[in-house]
Amino acid sequence: GEDVEQSLFLSVREGDSSVINCTYTDSSSTYLYWYKQEPGAGLQLLTYIFSNMDMKQDQRLTVLLNKKDKHLSLRIADTQTGDSAIYFCAESMDNDMRFGAGTRLTVKP
Amino acid sequence: EAGVAQSPRYKIIEKRQSVAFWCNPISGHATLYWYQQILGQGPKLLIQFQNNGVVDDSQLPKDRFSAERLKGVDSTLKIQPAKLEDSAVYLCASSLGQGGDEQYFGPGTRLTVT
Repeated sequence: GEDVEQSLFLSVREGDSSVINCTYTDSSSTYLYWYKQEPGAGLQLLTYIFSNMDMKQDQRLTVLLNKKDKHLSLRIADTQTGDSAIYFCAESMDNDMRFGAGTRLTVKP
Repeated sequence: EAGVAQSPRYKIIEKRQSVAFWCNPISGHATLYWYQQILGQGPKLLIQFQNNGVVDDSQLPKDRFSAERLKGVDSTLKIQPAKLEDSAVYLCASSLGQGGDEQYFGPGTRLTVT
């Protein structure tokens, strides 16, 4: 199974906030990432957070890190139909990057 | 700035045949990665190069998969012979250095083995 776990599906209405959750297992991970993958495309880095931080905000994106519980979340404010995609959480330590299975976000108009 | 280029975009082969994928990383990026992404799963690292040397190939099925990056730029990934379970998207990524450097992904090659 995956070391990094995510729920597989999330559906929201346009304009609502989306929260995608992730748990990881390696407390030594130094970086944690959120990637977005649209159909037929490669992965696009959305944002990342260092393991010594607990929050990072970038425009509509807010990343929260609970290191004690090894829990990472991505909040998308004012979700738009263009945000529909698969979102991958990933952890990195040294040269090793491990991805979750991805959360498919569907935004309904 | 040109992104990571991969070809072909799609490939359909029969089991036991051979196939090769090509990747051209972003200019100046020393580190190159090959990932396998099976449908419904996250990408899994197959091999990582730093310039033309292998940093990590622990997840590469070496009995059938091989990869090279001879001049430290382009890379090829080969499967010989292919099995049904090799059906996946093969993603190439590159980064300036190692560690936490941002990885830039190509569009991938979708392989279907019948």
